Amino acid sequence: DTGVSQDPRHKITKRGQNVTFRCDPISEHNRLYWYRQTLGQGPEFLTYFQNEAQLEKSRLLSDRFSAERPKGSFSTLEIQRTEQGDSAMYLCASTFEWARTSTDTQYFGPGTRLTVL
Amino acid sequence: GESVGLHLPTLSVQEGDNSIINCAYSNSASDYFIWYKQESGKGPQFIIDIRSNMDKRQGQRVTVLLNKTVKHLSLQIAATQPGDSAVYFCAEKRYVDNDMRFGAGTRLTVKP
Repeated sequence: DTGVSQDPRHKITKRGQNVTFRCDPISEHNRLYWYRQTLGQGPEFLTYFQNEAQLEKSRLLSDRFSAERPKGSFSTLEIQRTEQGDSAMYLCASTFEWARTSTDTQYFGPGTRLTVL
Repeated sequence: GESVGLHLPTLSVQEGDNSIINCAYSNSASDYFIWYKQESGKGPQFIIDIRSNMDKRQGQRVTVLLNKTVKHLSLQIAATQPGDSAVYFCAEKRYVDNDMRFGAGTRLTVKP
């Protein structure tokens, strides 16, 4: 257990429905990342937050994807109008970045596995 | 384009033997490299990292070697144990970037 938790662990939804996932990072970590992982592939970066500020969102897969971290603690990832191609594992990671050149080890949560029928 | 990839998708070793997992990268501007282990149903777990100004780093039973000349990274696991069975990913990052780029992974199976 890395200390990063995600909820739910599994989500099955019908195409066209909206889904929201939650990530609770390690409490003192100032950075939070979202990744998507499809079967047999490595995680693919989606977005990240520095405290409550979303500093990179150009890699979100489409405008159906959005993320928030309103108080700089937990974060949510929402997918609107889900499509079958959205089926994947969605991973959250957190780290504490103390310097621009720090090797910010990212600690991953267990992921939320999304299945879109 | 830029990529991080692994030479072999699967590796099978005998318990007690040493394992070597390889990774090739294409971006010579990468600042550091990370190895992660992912067990079934879990998120990736950090193993070891190495900055680009180093060529070797050792941890507990693991060693990472970096050859910048040929853009090659390897993870050596000594005395491989059944608990080492997992998928191993290499990843690379640049300080100027926000994202970490992962390769596709190598599945390590340890035979008793």
